[in-house]
Amino acid sequence: GIQVEQSPPDLILQEGANSTLRCNFSDSVNNLQWFHQNPWGQLINLFYIPSGTKQNGRLSATTVATERYSLLYISSSQTTDSGVYFCAVVDRKDPGNQFYFGTGTSLTVIP
Amino acid sequence: DGGITQSPKYLFRKEGQNVTLSCEQNLNHDAMYWYRQDPGQGLRLIYYSQIVNDFQKGDIAEGYSVSREKKESFPLTVTSAQKNPTAFYLCASSIGGPGGELFFGEGSRLTVL
Repeated sequence: GIQVEQSPPDLILQEGANSTLRCNFSDSVNNLQWFHQNPWGQLINLFYIPSGTKQNGRLSATTVATERYSLLYISSSQTTDSGVYFCAVVDRKDPGNQFYFGTGTSLTVIP
Repeated sequence: DGGITQSPKYLFRKEGQNVTLSCEQNLNHDAMYWYRQDPGQGLRLIYYSQIVNDFQKGDIAEGYSVSREKKESFPLTVTSAQKNPTAFYLCASSIGGPGGELFFGEGSRLTVL
């Protein structure tokens, strides 16, 4: 199946700092999503972004499908941004439309 | 409110017992999924279903079983054959097809004593 790699695996930031999280994938995709897993384990949808750029408040995301990567930008980070960020993709060649997840970036924002 | 409801949120069982985790959605989604997450790890697909009365194995189906008798419901049974059942289980759904957005329930945390 398609390979999904996220970097960095861990990130520690001072409150107010900016960060960029990266998701690389090994093949063409129909779907790409970014999720935030909060400390209680719940996965929150951040962006549905198979291509292009989207912004939502302090967060924005860009997917360059032809180069097989996506970036998640967090500006002016807050302690509530802490948690694990996952990207997930659907392989364009997969008739089962399975979602493949990266291993995540664990973000800690310290006051 | 529309959403995905998983129950129970926490479950303790003795080794050798089967347990069933419930997942119900009222989003009118065709596709439903079960994932397993171990501490500090990513999500691994157990089973998925794209339509009622049909389901497929994911990467780690051994020791698990599912049914899809109704569109809204996709229960997961963790059988005694699952060697390491203690984990966080997440149910998800999507509208189906290649472009459907995936949504998650709040998860069920299973501990086998």
